[in-house]
Amino acid sequence: QKEVEQDPGPLSVPEGAIVSLNCTYSNSAFQYFMWYRQYSRKGPELLMYTYSSGNKEDGRFTAQVDKSSKYISLFIRDSQPSDSATYLCAMSNSGGSNYKLTFGKGTLLTVNP
Amino acid sequence: SQTIHQWPATLVQPVGSPLSLECTVEGTSNPNLYWYRQAAGRGLQLLFYSIGIDQISSEVPQNLSASRPQDRQFILSSKKLLLSDSGFYLCAWSVAVGGYTFGSGTRLTVV
Repeated sequence: QKEVEQDPGPLSVPEGAIVSLNCTYSNSAFQYFMWYRQYSRKGPELLMYTYSSGNKEDGRFTAQVDKSSKYISLFIRDSQPSDSATYLCAMSNSGGSNYKLTFGKGTLLTVNP
Repeated sequence: SQTIHQWPATLVQPVGSPLSLECTVEGTSNPNLYWYRQAAGRGLQLLFYSIGIDQISSEVPQNLSASRPQDRQFILSSKKLLLSDSGFYLCAWSVAVGGYTFGSGTRLTVV
């Protein structure tokens, strides 16, 4: 079983739709969870960062972490064409000098006007 | 504010030629630095990471090497490129828990 599983999509939705992106993981030691957005031919940019279980909201974006199920989600409300990108989940078990992220393969999202 | 510079943006190199990609960070001290390669359908693959000058850890045995001659400079090199070295190379930095900041990437095509 891979450490982080993410459905690659592609996912195509109409403008204004609610988008749900998900990742599952196998390493119960993961405590830090992130979502990155990557536009075509660009580097990933950090979108959301959460620690342990719970929800975090930032504008139209909500990140959820369920450590008991080893499942994380990113919700995008009122999706816009500018949200079209690849979304990568990432997670880590610690900070400090051994701080390394494990990434999902990314989900390609297209929001159609 | 912290910024990360990565160059060149695109590169086309013949098989067997050398490679040198450079990454520099501004506005922070003693960052952790990372080199990733992103290939279609394979996600982000960690190649090297560094916690300090001349301290390099290799994650995947391969045709590449990395060096950190200065605190905020990270270099990815190869003596002889292979076709399989083609990909999108990304440099990133972090100073603590809170996520990585990535550079804009270099798209390398080996022909």
